[in-house]
Amino acid sequence: EAGVTQFPSHSVIEKGQTVTLRCDPISGHDNLYWYRRVMGKEIKFLLHFVKESKQDESGMPNNRFLAERTGGTYSTLKVQPAELEDSGVYFCASSQDWVKNIQYFGAGTRLSVL
Amino acid sequence: GESVGLHLPTLSVQEGDNSIINCAYSNSASDYFIWYKQESGKGPQFIIDIRSNMDKRQGQRVTVLLNKTVKHLSLQIAATQPGDSAVYFCAENNSGTYKYIFGTGTRLKVLA
Repeated sequence: EAGVTQFPSHSVIEKGQTVTLRCDPISGHDNLYWYRRVMGKEIKFLLHFVKESKQDESGMPNNRFLAERTGGTYSTLKVQPAELEDSGVYFCASSQDWVKNIQYFGAGTRLSVL
Repeated sequence: GESVGLHLPTLSVQEGDNSIINCAYSNSASDYFIWYKQESGKGPQFIIDIRSNMDKRQGQRVTVLLNKTVKHLSLQIAATQPGDSAVYFCAENNSGTYKYIFGTGTRLKVLA
């Protein structure tokens, strides 16, 4: 069974540009999460999807960030326009259900905004 | 790797010795706790979990201890091996919400 996959593994963009990160969860996992770790800080929650619906987006830093999960399969996280402080590693995770909420993480996308 | 620049507490352990990694959690309402291991270039990998109705849970070479009185979690690794070298994160969760709250992480270095 394939794990959570994220693309790209690394993205380098200039301030003001747009970047779209993609996450493919484990097949059959309805729950999909985005987290990020900016340099020197802990991993922080961004948002949670159940299928195609946003269940909790309390961690999204501002309206420059837009997450979608059309069709309830893969998800994208768009940053537009990117700022220097957006640099960090963006993780996606998925889980099967809420009873035993083990979240399985992808390898992350390292975003560098110059 | 992605941890460059992060000033993580580091635990250095001789190969074959036991390791104990500690974590203080923040929310007294948290009722589910998880330990993750992150190797360079990879995402966090699940190691072991424990619910708040337990104070100890054992896996293969790993044991998690939970002390709810002082909001403390620990991960014990028996007979530490070079492959155990990684950053270890604890995470807490309130079953009323799906979000995990992560600790800052501890880097484990295994000395040959």
